[in-house]
Amino acid sequence: DIQMTQSPASLSASLEEIVTITCQASQDIGNWLAWYQQKPGKSPQLLIYGATSLADGVPSRFSGSRSGTQYSLKISRLQVEDPGIYYCLQGYSAPFTFGSGTKLEIK
Amino acid sequence: EVQLVESGGGLVQPGRSLKLSCVASGFTFNNYWMTWIRQAPGKGLEWVASITNTGGSTYYPDSVKGRFTISRDNAKSTLYLQMNSLRSEDTATYYCTRILGAQDYWGQGVMVTVSS
Repeated sequence: DIQMTQSPASLSASLEEIVTITCQASQDIGNWLAWYQQKPGKSPQLLIYGATSLADGVPSRFSGSRSGTQYSLKISRLQVEDPGIYYCLQGYSAPFTFGSGTKLEIK
Repeated sequence: EVQLVESGGGLVQPGRSLKLSCVASGFTFNNYWMTWIRQAPGKGLEWVASITNTGGSTYYPDSVKGRFTISRDNAKSTLYLQMNSLRSEDTATYYCTRILGAQDYWGQGVMVTVSS
């Protein structure tokens, strides 16, 4: 099974700061990587699909990148509405696996 | 507008069974894989099961394989999850989803509590 190692587990940053979250895949997953944001009591919302493509309606301050088997989500200028828990998901092969999540807070 | 509406959750004793349903609307149901994802209270997301658009193939993680069965009725645009031999660790909110694409949809979730 493919393991997704997500870091950091939690993160506190100031408004307008750049934030980066990473997921390391245990093997090649190509671009089959998605990023989600989840707010308390809500269903997760897709931010990035195909490792680098921005989902519809997602602000352009969110971006995804890939370097080999390491995937990153970057928030270029943290905004007040961005706190939540962020997850990566590999959809390359079943069993599909999520990262363990990153809790993002405003400092 | 795409909608995924789950039902069938509730409180169930360990070892018993429960069947979840998800009615889909707003898209051509039989064109898409469908997936169940769950989230235990205060925990992360866990993929539970996926089914191909025709229902010809299904996929499960080891944690539910042999106990859970995903199925679909394309004529009714409905997805199902039959859960047998339930355990306390199956307690979670279960989401019906259409994921792994550029457009991604989740239901509001249905709570399943396994407890005596």
